[in-house]
Amino acid sequence: AQSVTQLDSHVSVSEGTPVLLRCNYSSSYSPSLFWYVQHPNKGLQLLLKYTSAATLVKGINGFEAEFKKSETSFHLTKPSAHMSDAAEYFCVVSEDSNYQLIWGAGTKLIIKP
Amino acid sequence: NAGVTQTPKFQVLKTGQSMTLQCAQDMNHNSMYWYRQDPGMGLRLIYYSASEGTTDKGEVPNGYNVSRLNKREFSLRLESAAPSQTSVYFCASAPTGGSNQPQHFGDGTRLSIL
Repeated sequence: AQSVTQLDSHVSVSEGTPVLLRCNYSSSYSPSLFWYVQHPNKGLQLLLKYTSAATLVKGINGFEAEFKKSETSFHLTKPSAHMSDAAEYFCVVSEDSNYQLIWGAGTKLIIKP
Repeated sequence: NAGVTQTPKFQVLKTGQSMTLQCAQDMNHNSMYWYRQDPGMGLRLIYYSASEGTTDKGEVPNGYNVSRLNKREFSLRLESAAPSQTSVYFCASAPTGGSNQPQHFGDGTRLSIL
């Protein structure tokens, strides 16, 4: 069965410093993995997706994520945080065998001036 | 270029009342989804429609019904609202139901049941 664990419910960084949001998954098949972002009182926007091509995936707004099969991880990073990055981030896994996405509980990213 | 449109944006109901949440997409997508989002939890799938004319239960279907009215529209109905259904509801669509297809989301409906 699929599952997703986001290891931190909140992450706080200073503006201009690196961001690391951690995600581990379990999957019986070859998964597709996504990161979505949700700004306050808004819907969800796709940041990036991994679908068995390159293991380092680049997304929008300077974010990237690396798929590490041996560690079953898909951590999201950004070299330099901006105030506009303050939002909640969700790691999501999907398998070929069904239509359903399995969502992590989310990580709130707080940016300190 | 509207994408996925949900109505209403906010609603307050009394226990036992009924309500239909509307969702429409203009991207010619085949698959549509209804989720609920509760504090401290990721999204949970209520129902989905892989293509026009089909609907299937997701993780938390109890207390809900859906209708895929046509390719564009997918509605969610609460027949007898309960306080446990207080949540933010999101509709999403995707070109197909394949696992590598990202979903496109509406802005949500914030529903409170008193």
